[in-house]
Amino acid sequence: DAKTTQPTSMDCAEGRAANLPCNHSTISGNEYVYWYRQIHSQGPQYIIHGLKNNETNEMASLIITEDRKSSTLILPHATLRDTAVYYCIVFGKSTFGDGTTLTVKP
Amino acid sequence: NAGVMQNPRHLVRRRGQEARLRCSPMKGHSHVYWYRQLPEEGLKFMVYLQKENIIDESGMPKERFSAEFPKEGPSILRIQQVVRGDSAAYFCASSQQDNYGYTFGSGTRLTVV
Repeated sequence: DAKTTQPTSMDCAEGRAANLPCNHSTISGNEYVYWYRQIHSQGPQYIIHGLKNNETNEMASLIITEDRKSSTLILPHATLRDTAVYYCIVFGKSTFGDGTTLTVKP
Repeated sequence: NAGVMQNPRHLVRRRGQEARLRCSPMKGHSHVYWYRQLPEEGLKFMVYLQKENIIDESGMPKERFSAEFPKEGPSILRIQQVVRGDSAAYFCASSQQDNYGYTFGSGTRLTVV
């Protein structure tokens, strides 16, 4: 059951890149890393996922280290609407950590 | 293709009543997960079900809480004799297979008065 560790909170200036780290040192070879975010009390929203290679979609980029023990979610141009709690999760036992509260400031 | 549907969105119950929360997974998804989120806290896993089977209920309180996912119809999370501490947002997620990404519903906000 891979657990994740994320910083409790981060700030980012509007228009700048937001880099959110996640440690998952006990990840197994076939386990994916997923990122979700939760704005206010809405249902968590899927952002991106990856296994080994870096991934990019219209929302974000995901950088996974070669040993797969950590990853970084990158929001290239953060906006005020990106203020949310961001969860990094490695599937296995469906365990969410406490996530990182990202605050984007004007 | 509708997403994960949860109803009701808001539910108010008096102490001692029963609460029934429904979750219809996405089309083609046979795995359902329930999470609880207390105010100002993170998502806590409760139970994982496949059709007609409970796979993992390690996060479910031992008493008053039960879940089912029948062959036909939505998954139901049932809370008997609700107490004020049950007030929370309950989220359901579904997936095509285990160890694979989820899609979440919008949640049911239970308030016990």
